[in-house]
Amino acid sequence: DSGVTQTPKHLITATGQRVTLRCSPRSGDLSVYWYQQSLDQGLQFLIQYYNGEERAKGNILERFSAQQFPDLHSELNLSSLELGDSALYFCASSVAPLYTGELFFGEGSRLTVL
Amino acid sequence: GQQLNQSPQSMFIQEGEDVSMNCTSSSIFNTWLWYKQDPGEGPVLLIALYKAGELTSNGRLTAQFGITRKDSFLNISASIPSDVGIYFCAGRSYSGAGSYQLTFGKGTKLSGIP
Repeated sequence: DSGVTQTPKHLITATGQRVTLRCSPRSGDLSVYWYQQSLDQGLQFLIQYYNGEERAKGNILERFSAQQFPDLHSELNLSSLELGDSALYFCASSVAPLYTGELFFGEGSRLTVL
Repeated sequence: GQQLNQSPQSMFIQEGEDVSMNCTSSSIFNTWLWYKQDPGEGPVLLIALYKAGELTSNGRLTAQFGITRKDSFLNISASIPSDVGIYFCAGRSYSGAGSYQLTFGKGTKLSGIP
């Protein structure tokens, strides 16, 4: 158990819909990262937050947004969903912004868009 | 953007065999890491390498940080059934404003021969 909690574990929705994925980082971790894992693309970095502030952005679509709240949990919002958004979405956390490179990953939220 | 080329993409292993995989990049990284993902789980850190030329072991796993800082390899000796899974290499680089970025390879999938 990494200590990172993600909900929901599975989500099935239709194209055009909007979903919110939730992440609680490990106790004491201030940095939260979101990754997308598709079959052919490996782990794609989406966005990073540190203590409530956005720190880095990767290949995140404009239809996607995220935030980190004062209690340090984070939410990833995916809107106007397309079939290609079907993927496993991972949240990860670390104490500080990757000073050692070690990330603690949650079990992921599997999104299926029909 | 930075890309990591990980090979092989997949391989079958028999119990007792030694396994090798590697990761190359056109970019320099100051840290190389190897993660393993079991089915239904998030990736877990196996080994972190912080210096060019560094050779580090973790049980039956041995990894090296290439001298050019553009590559790394992972060896698994005397493989056992629980070694199956997806192995990801990751390179850490400075992204500015006190933050670091982790770039992942697409993974090497180890499957057991039934």
